[in-house]
Amino acid sequence: ELKVEQNPLFLSMQEGKNYTIYCNYSTTSDRLYWYRQDPGKSLESLFVLLSNGAVKQEGRLMASLDTKARLSTLHITAAVHDLSATYFCAVEHGDSNYQLIWGAGTKLIIKP
Amino acid sequence: DGGITQSPKYLFRKEGQNVTLSCEQNLNHDAMYWYRQDPGQGLRLIYYSQIVNDFQKGDIAEGYSVSREKKESFPLTVTSAQKNPTAFYLCASITSSNVYQPQHFGDGTRLSIL
Repeated sequence: ELKVEQNPLFLSMQEGKNYTIYCNYSTTSDRLYWYRQDPGKSLESLFVLLSNGAVKQEGRLMASLDTKARLSTLHITAAVHDLSATYFCAVEHGDSNYQLIWGAGTKLIIKP
Repeated sequence: DGGITQSPKYLFRKEGQNVTLSCEQNLNHDAMYWYRQDPGQGLRLIYYSQIVNDFQKGDIAEGYSVSREKKESFPLTVTSAQKNPTAFYLCASITSSNVYQPQHFGDGTRLSIL
């Protein structure tokens, strides 16, 4: 069974600090997605990582993928309050190019 | 602007009642999905459809039904057999011509029991 585990599930941090969210998955997959969800809202795509060693950056967020370790990281640099949200990673199901298996999400609270 | 429209935004279900959640997209996407999200949880797949008139069960299909009569529409019915329907329901779509694109989501429907 394909499992996707995120940690931590909850993170409270101060503005200006750096931190990393981890996403581990249990089967081979070359495609991993990061999404953001604000409270009560839908999901917004952040990054699509398509191959081993892929690194994407947008503002203070940087995502990377190591398919050999089955690990993706989402790094936050010099956090600001606006980055407070829940972050999900999702891995493509091996049997179907269209299905995603989702992590439980990391709720990030950034305090001023 | 292209996008996915889910309606209603809030829905209340009485005991023994079936309710239908609407999902319409004008992105010309081929594949559509229904997810359920419980508070503090990730997304779980209910049903998905890759082409018109065809759909497959996801991990938690029991108590739900769908149809895909048109490319742009993928309604979800929550039947009375679903004993715990209270959740946030999200519809998503993706084009099959470029599967490396992320799934695009609607704004969701929040369903509660009266």
